[in-house]
Order: sequence, then C-alpha cells, then structure tokens
Amino acid sequence: DVQMTQSPSSLSASVGDRVTVTCRASQSIRTYLNWYQQKPGKAPKLLIYAVSSLQSGVPSRFSGSGSGTDFTLTISSLQPEDYATYYCQQSNDTPYTFGQGTKLEIK
Amino acid sequence: EVQLVESGGGLVQPGGSLRLSCAASGFSFSTSWMTWVRQAPGKGLEWVANIKQDGSEKYYVDSVKGRFTVSRDNTKNLVYLQMNSLRAEDMAVYYCARIHSGRSAGDALDIWGQGTMVTVSS
Repeated sequence: DVQMTQSPSSLSASVGDRVTVTCRASQSIRTYLNWYQQKPGKAPKLLIYAVSSLQSGVPSRFSGSGSGTDFTLTISSLQPEDYATYYCQQSNDTPYTFGQGTKLEIK
Repeated sequence: EVQLVESGGGLVQPGGSLRLSCAASGFSFSTSWMTWVRQAPGKGLEWVANIKQDGSEKYYVDSVKGRFTVSRDNTKNLVYLQMNSLRAEDMAVYYCARIHSGRSAGDALDIWGQGTMVTVSS
C-alpha cells in the first residue's frame, strides 16, 4: 500500500501569510495526487486534482505542484475562510490512501 | 443540481448489519466510478471501497474485505454499502463520492455527499 505522509500535522498562520503543506508518497504515484479541504462537520471539498489542476470554483490563491513522490499545496495569501484541515490523497492504485491531514489554525 | 445524498446510518450493535444508500443526481451516474470514504470521530479520512460504472469491478480496503459489499443500481442512480459483522472500529461518518476518472483528472473525488453516521455500540 502507498503511504502518504503529510507535514506539518498542524500549522498556525495569519491572514495574508503564504502557507505550504507537503505530502510525500512512499512510492511513485505519477500524477494521481489530489488535495482536499475539510471544515468541521462538513464533507471534504476537492481543491486540486492531478497534482496542479485547480478544481472549478476554487480560488486561484490555491496551487499545487510536485511529481513522483513529493507534492506541495500552497496558499499564496491566507484568507479567513481557509482555516480548515487539508488532506492529500493518492488515486494511483487501490487502496486509495490519504495523508493524515494538516490542521491550519489562526495565529 | 449536482448532488449525492447518503442515508441509512444509525446505531447498531457489534456484529450487526447496516445498509447505506447514496442517491445521485445532476450528473451522469451510470458513467461514473463511485467510492465510499469514512471518517472516524476526530480522525482522518479512510478510503473504504470503489465500484466501477457497471458494477463489474469492486475494490475494498483490507479491513472491510469479506464484511462489506458495495453495489449499485444504475436505473435508480443509487450506490449501496452493505456492512455486516460491524465492529467498534467501523464507527464513522460514511461519505459516498464520485471519482472523476482519468489520468488528467487524477481520479479525484470531485463530488461528495454530506455523510451519514454509523455508530457501533452495545
């Protein structure tokens, strides 16, 4: 099974900050890497698919990059509505696996 | 409106059974892979099962193999998760989601339901 390791597990940042979350896969997952945002009590929401493609309706301050085993989610200028938990996920092979999550909190 | 709506969650005793349903609308259900993902209280997301468009291929996480069965009815735009021999560790919110298939789409889960809670307790 592919293990997905996210870092950091939690992060405190201020409005306007640039924030980066990293995700490492235990083996190559090609471009089958996706990012989700989840707010308390809500379903996850797809932000970025296939490493770097922005899902329709998602603000352009969100971006993704990487290849092979190392991937990054960047929020260029943090907004109040971005405080949430973020998950990476690989769909290269079953079992699909998620990172453990990064909780983004207000500083 | 593009939508997935889960139902069927509730309280069940250990060893019991439950069937979850997920009703799809607003997109081409019969041409979509579907998936179930769960989230235990206070924990992260865990993939549970996938089912192909025609139901001919199904995949499961090891921890539910032999106990859970995913199925679908394309005439009713429904996907199901039959859960047998439930354990305390199966307690979670269960989400159904659509898989946006294809390399360019990353096989991402692009449409999610609101989730249904399964509580396993005596």
